[in-house]
Amino acid sequence: EVQLVESGGGLVQPGRSLKLSCAASGFTFSNYYMAWVRQAPKKGLEWVATISTSGSRTYYPDSVKGRFTISRDNAKSSLYLQMNSLKSEDTATYYCARGHWDYWGQGVMVTVSS
Amino acid sequence: DVVLTQTPPTLSATIGQSVSISCRSSQSLLHSNGNTYLHWLLQRPGQSPQLLIYLVSRLESGVPNRFSGSGSGTDFTLKISGVEAEDLGVYYCVQGTHAPWTFGGGTKLELK
Repeated sequence: EVQLVESGGGLVQPGRSLKLSCAASGFTFSNYYMAWVRQAPKKGLEWVATISTSGSRTYYPDSVKGRFTISRDNAKSSLYLQMNSLKSEDTATYYCARGHWDYWGQGVMVTVSS
Repeated sequence: DVVLTQTPPTLSATIGQSVSISCRSSQSLLHSNGNTYLHWLLQRPGQSPQLLIYLVSRLESGVPNRFSGSGSGTDFTLKISGVEAEDLGVYYCVQGTHAPWTFGGGTKLELK
């Protein structure tokens, strides 16, 4: 059974950093692109980052480029999102998703507030 | 960036009614490799999104065949032939042809 389990969320002050993790199981992690998607409270879905199978290519929208870094450890079947210089508008539930959008984690809440 | 416009934003339906949701793209979603990376997701209340349709019209495994997708270029449609109670939630189209990947604004399906 495919599972994606996020962790690392919480309350953080503006300007600080936070690192999210996603533990994958039930499939060959290294064969898939992976992505992070977020959803602000009562809002729609926003793509945040995508990483290639080897990790050599990463993609970001302008809203997070230069502040967020996606990475992966194929040996540990894990995906990460390093978030720096956090802003209040980064407050959202963050989902880890397999690159084909066919499997999603349960999401982890990140609240940026002083 | 590609903008996906979904209509209607809210859809009220009775059980058994057939409904359609439109997703219009600001650019053609036909990739140079011949694929069209337009997919449909459903997010039920309090749950993570789930994939319903991929590559315009391909039904994801385990998804009931009352769901169907169609379209090409810039105009796409998700149809539900006979709404059931478990279909309630917010439907999103998402494109992966052009970076950055983008989602439509969502269509909320509710019971009339």
